[in-house]
Amino acid sequence: KNEVEQSPQNLTAQEGEFITINCSYSVGISALHWLQQHPGGGIVSLFMLSSGKKKHGRLIATINIQEKHSSLHITASHPRDSAVYICAAPRGSNYKLTFGKGTLLTVNP
Amino acid sequence: GAVVSQHPSRVICKSGTSVKIECRSLDFQATTMFWYRQFPKQSLMLMATSNEGSKATYEQGVEKDKFLINHASLTLSTLTVTSAHPEDSSFYICSATAERGGLYTQYFGPGTRLTVL
Repeated sequence: KNEVEQSPQNLTAQEGEFITINCSYSVGISALHWLQQHPGGGIVSLFMLSSGKKKHGRLIATINIQEKHSSLHITASHPRDSAVYICAAPRGSNYKLTFGKGTLLTVNP
Repeated sequence: GAVVSQHPSRVICKSGTSVKIECRSLDFQATTMFWYRQFPKQSLMLMATSNEGSKATYEQGVEKDKFLINHASLTLSTLTVTSAHPEDSSFYICSATAERGGLYTQYFGPGTRLTVL
C-alpha cells in the first residue's frame, strides 16, 4: 500500500470551476510537497507546507498534520491548469520523497 | 531562485551506447541530489540518492553498474546510462535539495527524455 494516497485519480472540470485534490498520508512527516507536472514532463514545485495554509495566485494548499491530510485547491480553473498534480511526503532523515500516484486534471474551455 | 537544469532535454541513441545526463543546481549548492525515472502514466520512481563527494545510494532493483552516478561538486551530478537498451527508454528527472527556513525542499529539473532505438 502506498504511504501517500491521492484522490481523485482523474478529474475533469469546466473552466471557472473550483477544484479540490486530496492527499492522505500514513507516515509522520515534517512537510508535504505539492507538485505539478505538465504533459511535456517537467515538474514544478508548487508548495511545501508543514502546517496551516499557503496561497499562491489561484492555488491554495492546506494541511492538517493531526489528520494526516492535505488538500490542493484551484480557484477559477483555467485550461492551462490541466496537468498532473502530485503530492509527496519526505521519508527518513535523507528527505527521500514518497509520491502519490498523481491526479490528472483536465479543464475544458 | 532555486533553479535546477538538466542536459540534454531529449536524447535518442542506439542500443549498446552510453548516455550521460547532467543535473545542475544553478543558483544554490546542493549536498544531495536525487535521480528519478518515470515510465508513461506512472509515478516517479527514485533510482538513487547522490551525495557530493561520496558514492551514490541506489534503491533496490536499480543496477549501480548500469546507472553510474557521479556527484563531483555541490552543483553538478551526472547520471550515465551504460550500454543502453530499449527498455531503458524513459523520462529521467533529477532533483536537488536546499534548506529553506529549516526545511529541506527538493527542486526538480525539467527532465531528460531518453529513447533507445
